[in-house]
Parts: sequence; structure tokens; C-alpha cells
Amino acid sequence: KNEVEQSPQNLTAQEGEFITINCSYSVGISALHWLQQHPGGGIVSLFMLSSGKKKHGRLIATINIQEKHSSLHITASHPRDSAVYICAVGANFGNEKLTFGTGTRLTIIP
Amino acid sequence: DAGVTQSPTHLIKTRGQHVTLRCSPISGHKSVSWYQQVLGQGPQFIFQYYEKEERGRGNFPDRFSARQFPNYSSELNVNALLLGDSALYLCASSWGLGIQYFGPGTRLLVL
Repeated sequence: KNEVEQSPQNLTAQEGEFITINCSYSVGISALHWLQQHPGGGIVSLFMLSSGKKKHGRLIATINIQEKHSSLHITASHPRDSAVYICAVGANFGNEKLTFGTGTRLTIIP
Repeated sequence: DAGVTQSPTHLIKTRGQHVTLRCSPISGHKSVSWYQQVLGQGPQFIFQYYEKEERGRGNFPDRFSARQFPNYSSELNVNALLLGDSALYLCASSWGLGIQYFGPGTRLLVL
């Protein structure tokens, strides 16, 4: 069993739909990261969470430490949101080794 | 401000050769981490350096080594290349315990 699991692996939706991507982890963590990877490989950090909820534009990330679960939501999805979304957890303060999930490939159809 | 830069962007090597990948962090960032991403998988942690000292090492063989220079730039070295080393190598920098900022990666193909 992977330490970080994401679901779904692939998600196709129509433009405008509300998107939810889930991440579950099995280890104690200091922080959870949501990352976006576009074709070609470039990775952009979206959020770093240790508790609660964060919002940036149409993106919302939540984390439940007790349940070891996080969700990434996209409101009013747009084709430019099409990318691979990756959840990663950092286990130790002072050691930023990240353990990554395998990613969720999101495709938004116009 | 310039983001994290990596060089080269693409590289083709043959089995048994040696490769050096380079990373320049965002100005002011003292931590650099290296990751390997094989096609279709999530990145795997290789090394983390902070203030020129190794702070973490992933489950990679001794053929993989790295160092950080006084200007906080970093090199990743891989000796005796294997076909399975073909991957996207990502460098990320951070100021401390905060968000890691990723470079565009170096795509290595081993033939």
C-alpha cells in the first residue's frame, strides 16, 4: 500500500463543473502539498496545508488531520485547469522530504 | 525574480556513462531538493540539501550523489547510468520549511 493515495486516477469533466480530487495518507505528516503538473513536466505548487482550509482563486484545499485526508476542489472548472494534480506529504519538520501520490489526471472538456 | 532554473533541459546518454545535472534555486532559498519522476509515476525523493549539508536521502543507490555550493546552487551526479535512470529529474528550492518551488526539470534519456 502506497503511503499517499489519490483518487480518482483520471477525471474528465465538462467546463464549469465542480471538481474534487481526494488524497489519503498513512503516515504522520508535518504538511501536505497540492501540486499541479502540466504536460512537459513543469510543477507548480498550489497549496501547503497543515490544518484547516485554504483558498486561492477557484481552488480550495482542505485537510482533516484526524482522518488523514485532504481534498482539492476546483470551482467553475476551465479547460486550462487540465493537468495532473499531485498530492505530496512532508513527514518531518526540518526535513522536507516529500512523498508523492501518483497524481490525478484531470481533463476539462469545453 | 527568476524561478528555479535547471540545466540542461534535455540530455541523452548511453549506459555506463556519467551525468551531472545542475540546479539554481530562487534567490534567498537555502534548501534544494532533488526528485526523480519516471514516466507515468509520481516524483520520488532523492536528496535534500540545506545550508550545504545533506539533510535527507531517499532510497537510491550510491551511484546517485549530490552537493550544494556556497551560492546554494546544487549538482546531482549519477554514475554508471542504467536504462532505468531515464526520467525527469526535478529540483525544488525553499527558504526553509515552506512551500517548495519546482524547476522545469531535466529530461534524461539513457540508451
